[in-house]
Amino acid sequence: QQQVKQSPQSLIVQKGGISIINCAYENTAFDYFPWYQQFPGKGPALLIAIRPDVSEKKEGRFTISFNKSAKQFSLHIMDSQPGDSATYFCAASRSGAGSYQLTFGKGTKLSVIP
Amino acid sequence: NAGVTQTPKFQVLKTGQSMTLQCAQDMNHEYMSWYRQDPGMGLRLIHYSVGAGITDQGEVPNGYNVSRSTTEDFPLRLLSAAPSQTSVYFCASSLRAMNTEAFFGQGTRLTVV
Repeated sequence: QQQVKQSPQSLIVQKGGISIINCAYENTAFDYFPWYQQFPGKGPALLIAIRPDVSEKKEGRFTISFNKSAKQFSLHIMDSQPGDSATYFCAASRSGAGSYQLTFGKGTKLSVIP
Repeated sequence: NAGVTQTPKFQVLKTGQSMTLQCAQDMNHEYMSWYRQDPGMGLRLIHYSVGAGITDQGEVPNGYNVSRSTTEDFPLRLLSAAPSQTSVYFCASSLRAMNTEAFFGQGTRLTVV
């Protein structure tokens, strides 16, 4: 059972455009939603994260939008740059004893073309 | 500041061989974990540890063993390698078990022939 569904699998955006990646989750106990960025040959690195008590979080050109009722969250990259070309993973986890797993989506490969 | 260090970076094994992937962190993190990454599958949790002496299974534990004798080290053992274990393996650590940033190593690309 896939607990975090991510779309699209791949995305091509022109430089300066907006990149949007969506994720949907099933477990309503999830209470931490990070996004990780991975460049080829490297390990994933935390980009930005949100908790369900806020609907939006912005850090520079990166924004997470969170819709608790729809059980969806998305990553928006404004003014996309070629250096943003990477694979992006959404993830989710929950607090509480016995819940020590970070569940990842399958990833979105973003290509930003000049 | 090394962070999470994995060795080796690349490895080729024959079916049936055993080996240990090493992982060390120097951030005094409580939580460590191993993931495998396969094309189109994202990152899947193999095993994790919430502290020295404590380990547990993740989503895909079969064929792998772990131990955590120190806070710093969390080796992953392949008992009898199979072609299905061909993958990129990532070790990660975080300050606490829940809801904190996970720091990943550079990965080990393993090929089983």
